[in-house]
Amino acid sequence: TQLLKQSPQFLSIQEGENLTVYCNSSSVFSSLQWYRQEPGEGPVLLVTVVTGGEVKKLKRLTFQFGDARKDSSLHITAAQPGDTGLYLCAGAGIEEKLTFGTGTRLTIIP
Amino acid sequence: NAGVTQTPKFQVLKTGQSMTLQCAQDMNHNSMYWYRQDPGMGLRLIYYSASEGTTDKGEVPNGYNVSRLNKREFSLRLESAAPSQTSVYFCASRIDRGRETQYFGPGTRLLVL
Repeated sequence: TQLLKQSPQFLSIQEGENLTVYCNSSSVFSSLQWYRQEPGEGPVLLVTVVTGGEVKKLKRLTFQFGDARKDSSLHITAAQPGDTGLYLCAGAGIEEKLTFGTGTRLTIIP
Repeated sequence: NAGVTQTPKFQVLKTGQSMTLQCAQDMNHNSMYWYRQDPGMGLRLIYYSASEGTTDKGEVPNGYNVSRLNKREFSLRLESAAPSQTSVYFCASRIDRGRETQYFGPGTRLLVL
């Protein structure tokens, strides 16, 4: 089983601060996705990164895929209360089945 | 266009009871998935169906069965529920097995006493 470990597991910061969430594995993935999940809802895709070293930006969110395609990071600049949620990374392996990370629960305090 | 729908939203079962979780998608997707979500463990794949008429085991299939009734519907059955199956269950669909977006339903919260 390919394992994806996210850190930190919980993060609570003030509005306006910056933060980084990490997603690490010993396995290589063909692509990696980041999802955000609100309470009582299913995860919603934010981004897919495919190439080692790839960087994608989504407004204040910056996603990076590691050069070896084993890890990824999500950086949020000037966090806002609307960023609050559970962030999940997911690596695509054999037959593009997804292996999900353990999740990071982010709380932005106004 | 409702996307992915799941029923029921909540369910309480006694140990040994059976039930079927229903999932339907109206996006004409080929691939459908069942996951369970437990605290600190992310989502784990139970079963998936790459196309109508096919089903395959995922990471945690024991205690579950599935049926791909048609292209739209993919059901998950618990034949004899156990407390270890208390979880939130998500159905998802994707147009194919590639890197396209996987769309999730709102989930079914199941408590087994």
